[in-house]
Amino acid sequence: QKEVEQDPGPLSVPEGAIVSLNCTYSNSAFQYFMWYRQYSRKGPELLMYTYSSGNKEDGRFTAQVDKSSKYISLFIRDSQPSDSATYLCAMSRISSGSARQLTFGSGTQLTVLP
Amino acid sequence: DTAVSQTPKYLVTQMGNDKSIKCEQNLGHDTMYWYKQDSKKFLKIMFSYNNKELIINETVPNRFSPKSPDKAHLNLHINSLELGDSAVYFCASSPSGRTYNEQFFGPGTRLTVL
Repeated sequence: QKEVEQDPGPLSVPEGAIVSLNCTYSNSAFQYFMWYRQYSRKGPELLMYTYSSGNKEDGRFTAQVDKSSKYISLFIRDSQPSDSATYLCAMSRISSGSARQLTFGSGTQLTVLP
Repeated sequence: DTAVSQTPKYLVTQMGNDKSIKCEQNLGHDTMYWYKQDSKKFLKIMFSYNNKELIINETVPNRFSPKSPDKAHLNLHINSLELGDSAVYFCASSPSGRTYNEQFFGPGTRLTVL
């Protein structure tokens, strides 16, 4: 079983819809939770990060972490065609070292239809 | 003004050959990484260097050898290429001294082994 599970989709929604993307994880040592967006043929780019449980909002994006359930979510409001991409969740442990090893989910492919 | 750059972007080669991928970052970061992304978009760390020192070395065949001539460069050399090495290889970098891990990714090198 993978440490981080993510529904690969694909997920198609109409423009303006609310999108919910989710990951579950098994390792309770994970403390930092991130969402990366990857456009086709491009490298991933960081969208949001959260530390421990709670919600964080940035524009149309809300990241939610529920550590008791080992479940994280990314919500996209008023989705746009430009949001069409693969969304990867990632997480890491607290570390005193200089490199924080990220463990990624397998990504959810999202298409927002105009 | 590319932050993390990789060359080449595409690499097509025969089984058994040796090839190298180069990575450079101009962000002043201390830590650099190599990731492999398979056909199912699963992104897995291979190596990490901090200030030219190897600090993460995942279970990767020893045909893969990273080299960091300075903290702005991290190259990946692959000996005796196999069909299973076909994937997209991403270089990334991150700054030190942050509690979370924002990694900046390059555009990727798409390796096809025939």
